[in-house]
Order: sequence, then C-alpha cells, then structure tokens
Amino acid sequence: GEDVEQSLFLSVREGDSSVINCTYTDSSSTYLYWYKQEPGAGLQLLTYIFSNMDMKQDQRLTVLLNKKDKHLSLRIADTQTGDSAIYFCAESPPVGATNKLIFGTGTLLAVQP
Amino acid sequence: NAGVTQTPKFQVLKTGQSMTLQCAQDMNHEYMSWYRQDPGMGLRLIHYSVGAGITDQGEVPNGYNVSRSTTEDFPLRLLSAAPSQTSVYFCASSYSIGGHRTEAFFGQGTRLTVV
Repeated sequence: GEDVEQSLFLSVREGDSSVINCTYTDSSSTYLYWYKQEPGAGLQLLTYIFSNMDMKQDQRLTVLLNKKDKHLSLRIADTQTGDSAIYFCAESPPVGATNKLIFGTGTLLAVQP
Repeated sequence: NAGVTQTPKFQVLKTGQSMTLQCAQDMNHEYMSWYRQDPGMGLRLIHYSVGAGITDQGEVPNGYNVSRSTTEDFPLRLLSAAPSQTSVYFCASSYSIGGHRTEAFFGQGTRLTVV
C-alpha cells in the first residue's frame, strides 16, 4: 500500500540545522518531493529527488534518500525564523493509471529566535 | 506574476447549498488538480485533469464535480454542501519531470465552512 509518514512537530533554535524526516512504503516510487507551506498559503515546491539518487543539495537544503529503508530527510542548514512552516514530503508512484502524488501529513517546524 | 489563482479565499455555506470554487492558471500547464487539506490528514486528491476535456477522480471525489473546458480553468463544484466538506481546498497546476506529474504551483487556498 501507499503511505507517507512524518513526525508532527520539530523545534529548533535560529542558526541550528533542522532535519525533517519522512518514511514511505511504496518501493517503486520514483520521485520524492519536499514542499513548504507557510500560514495561509498554498504549498511551495522546495526540491525533489529521483529515486536513483542518494543525495541532492540546493543552497541551504540537503535531501538524503535511503531507498533500502524507504527514508527521506530534508536538512535545512542555518535555520532562520522565515523557515518556520509546515513541511510536506510526497512520493510519486510510477506513471500509471492514477499517477498521483501521495502526501505525508506534514511536519510543523518552529524556529525559536 | 504567473501562477495559480483561486477564488474565493473564504466561504461559508449552509448545508445543501451548492457553489463553485474557481481556479485559473496562466502557465499553459496541461495538468491541474484539486486537493482538500484537513488537520492530520495531509492533502487528499479530489479530482484531476490531464488536459482540456479530460478529467478523472482522485482519492475523495464524492460530492464534487469538475470540468475542464479550457487549459486555463478548472472549477470545482460542490453539488450539495455537507459539514464533512468543511476544509481548505487547494488547486494545483503541474508540469512533468521525467514523465511524472509534479505539483509545482499551488493556489492560495479556499477556506470553506459548511454549517
């Protein structure tokens, strides 16, 4: 079955690194995504990683993928108060009849000044 | 700026009323989708479209209708509102990465309350 799980809440101090974790169940997933949702706004695509990659870095963001354990993480370096938001991971099953993303329930990141 | 525009931002309906949530994008994306967001449940797909004239059901389609007469517009209709449809609704516009639809642009959301 398809399921994406995330912890509900993470609190860090400004300047520290944040690591948001996600587990998924569909071993045939091909793309995995991270989205950011600020209060009162829609989701913003932050980054994505193809399943044959182990790591992807984009400025302060680092995505790590452990396909064996079906574990995805998003590391935010030098976390700022503007990074406070809900972060969603999502997986994309192989192209097929539904071809729809499966979203996790979101992790609320609170950055303390 | 290019993007996805949703209207209205807020709406209160009485049980049994009908209404249409509007969604428009100006990026010429073929794929568009409607999601609902409920606490503790993430986003759930209601309906989606892979192009003008083509729509299909998502995970939670009951009580909703869609149509796609143009590439730009993808309205969501609530036929007879129920309290269970109280939620935040998001429209998304997608492009393809390696053949996989990537929800890249989301609207600001419509907060709907059914009383």
